[in-house]
Amino acid sequence: TQLLEQSPQFLSIQEGENLTVYCNSSSVFSSLQWYRQEPGEGPVLLVTVVTGGEVKKLKRLTFQFGDARKDSSLHITADQPGDTGLYLCAGSNNDMRFGAGTRLTVKP
Amino acid sequence: NAGVMQNPRHLVRRRGQEARLRCSPMKGHSHVYWYRQLPEEGLKFMVYLQKENIIDESGMPKERFSAEFPKEGPSILRIQQVVRGDSAAYFCASSPLAGFFNEQFFGPGTRLTVL
Repeated sequence: TQLLEQSPQFLSIQEGENLTVYCNSSSVFSSLQWYRQEPGEGPVLLVTVVTGGEVKKLKRLTFQFGDARKDSSLHITADQPGDTGLYLCAGSNNDMRFGAGTRLTVKP
Repeated sequence: NAGVMQNPRHLVRRRGQEARLRCSPMKGHSHVYWYRQLPEEGLKFMVYLQKENIIDESGMPKERFSAEFPKEGPSILRIQQVVRGDSAAYFCASSPLAGFFNEQFFGPGTRLTVL
């Protein structure tokens, strides 16, 4: 079983739509990171959140860390085909645990 | 400033052979992490090394797998007597600072196929 559950697993939307993906756990993390991974490449860090309730914005991406530091969400506004990829969340304490990811496809 | 480099990018081995995966961290980074990714799954932590030291190998199978990060040269992940279940993408990441909460920079991965 995954320590971090990501939902949905797969998401296919039209260009211009908004979406939210989730990362949930029963464990508390000292920090949580979101990565994007394209086929055949390694993950690239998007953001790190460390404070419960923290909200960070990166252009059209908004990341939120839950108050209890157990869950997080990623909201993307006005999706573009370039947003297509695998979005991974990872929680860290004394190690780093990854979720299985949300595979996003944005159709033009 | 070159990123994390891994080679080979693709490796094919027959059952029972040895696989050697290499990772050159970013310049100035002395912390290296190895992860394994199976299809449709996230990355699973294997081992964390600092120059000449294994810091945490709790995610690495006790048998057939070993890792090193010598004073000079790349980090090596070695898999002896490979089996079909070892087929996966193996990623390494490097960081200039200790601790999992610091940013890790990932390489492009080595895709191992065991026939």
